[in-house]
Amino acid sequence: QFVLTQPPSVSAAPGQKVTISCSGSASNIGKNYVSWYQQLPGTAPKLLIYDNDKRFSGIPDRISGSKSGTSATLDITGLQTGDEAVYHCGVWDSSLSTLVFGGGTTLTVL
Amino acid sequence: QVQLQESGPGLVRPSETLSLTCTVSGYDINSGYFWAWIRQPPGKGLEWIGSISHTGTNYFNPSLRTRGSVSVGPSKNEFSLSLRSVSAADTAVYYCARRQRSGSFSYWFDLWGQGTLVTVSS
Repeated sequence: QFVLTQPPSVSAAPGQKVTISCSGSASNIGKNYVSWYQQLPGTAPKLLIYDNDKRFSGIPDRISGSKSGTSATLDITGLQTGDEAVYHCGVWDSSLSTLVFGGGTTLTVL
Repeated sequence: QVQLQESGPGLVRPSETLSLTCTVSGYDINSGYFWAWIRQPPGKGLEWIGSISHTGTNYFNPSLRTRGSVSVGPSKNEFSLSLRSVSAADTAVYYCARRQRSGSFSYWFDLWGQGTLVTVSS
């Protein structure tokens, strides 16, 4: 029921790379700017990426974002156990006149 | 540093009004930015509720507009959420946050409160 589609879960081994996708449409990702948030268990979301690919203050360069057409991706390299969290994408939807989020993706570091 | 803290009842009866306040410390909200409410039902994703500026300009999720409002106050450096006629579907952790933007349709939330769980139940 979310306007943005994220995979429910992804997993990878420590040290590896993972990509989390966020699929939308022309009225949201296709024309506006995507942000990404990390939510550790039991805590509030924390901003990682804004304006599609800009890292927020203090976010390491092993975390990066990109956008192409109506999809956005979050890449995390050099995975650590501390990266285990739920990751959310968000963007303004110009047709709905509301800010929308994906359903969140749970990252497991095996 | 800037901090946000939600406060309000943890239990609300069905059909009544949910009222929450966010207290901002370390920053005068009259200096700028928009301030937002976002909620997260247990085990589910995030839902933007609405945002307001210090001047009272506000934007609300169309799906909640008939029942809700955001306002500045009641005290200095506070902003509030009111959601009427609540049901079990409104049970969620409610977060307040600071909204940033860099241009048209570029919005993100850089500071968040810790969240407060509101349960709607009789």
